[in-house]
Amino acid sequence: EAGVAQSPRYKIIEKRQSVAFWCNPISGHATLYWYQQILGQGPKLLIQFQNNGVVDDSQLPKDRFSAERLKGVDSTLKIQPAKLEDSAVYLCASSLGSFPMGNSPLHFGNGTRLTVT
Amino acid sequence: AQSVTQLGSHVSVSEGALVLLRCNYSSSVPPYLFWYVQYPNQGLQLLLKYTSAATLVKGINGFEAEFKKSETSFHLTKPSAHMSDAAEYFCAVSPSGGYQKVTFGIGTKLQVIP
Repeated sequence: EAGVAQSPRYKIIEKRQSVAFWCNPISGHATLYWYQQILGQGPKLLIQFQNNGVVDDSQLPKDRFSAERLKGVDSTLKIQPAKLEDSAVYLCASSLGSFPMGNSPLHFGNGTRLTVT
Repeated sequence: AQSVTQLGSHVSVSEGALVLLRCNYSSSVPPYLFWYVQYPNQGLQLLLKYTSAATLVKGINGFEAEFKKSETSFHLTKPSAHMSDAAEYFCAVSPSGGYQKVTFGIGTKLQVIP
């Protein structure tokens, strides 16, 4: 099966600019996740979708970050305006099931490395 | 909230030596537990998962982990390290009921010395 696709792989922007990341999950996966991984830290969940509805966005900085999942398939994550501390790898993941079985493994894309200067 | 603690952000072992990466979880009820591996410039890959079927879980690449409720631990082991095992390893936890919400530890970077 095709894996989780993410683009772009790398992005360099100046602070206060905007940026968008795209993710295409594995076909048939109902749950889609965006994680932020800062250098030296574990992935931190930003937002979780179940089909095209948001399940958890408690750690998403909503004043600058936004995300959507169109028709329950592809997803985009946007940052506007970017800050220096947003420099990180943004990982998209998908899984088969969510409720009520919480043991579906996550399948990750290769991530987008964002550098904000 | 559930969480995991990984002891040791960096671990070095000699090639052929035992690999032991430590993970302790915090949860009021036994959760689902996972180990993922991340190679440079790649996403995370699942090594193994615990879902209450068996306390000793075998994964890919010769890794295994044992769930110990009394110690709230889920340590990852491999009898003999290979150079190709050099990577970063993440322990993760998800509640066993309700929506899946996976929380990761800070990771342990494994160095294998020839």
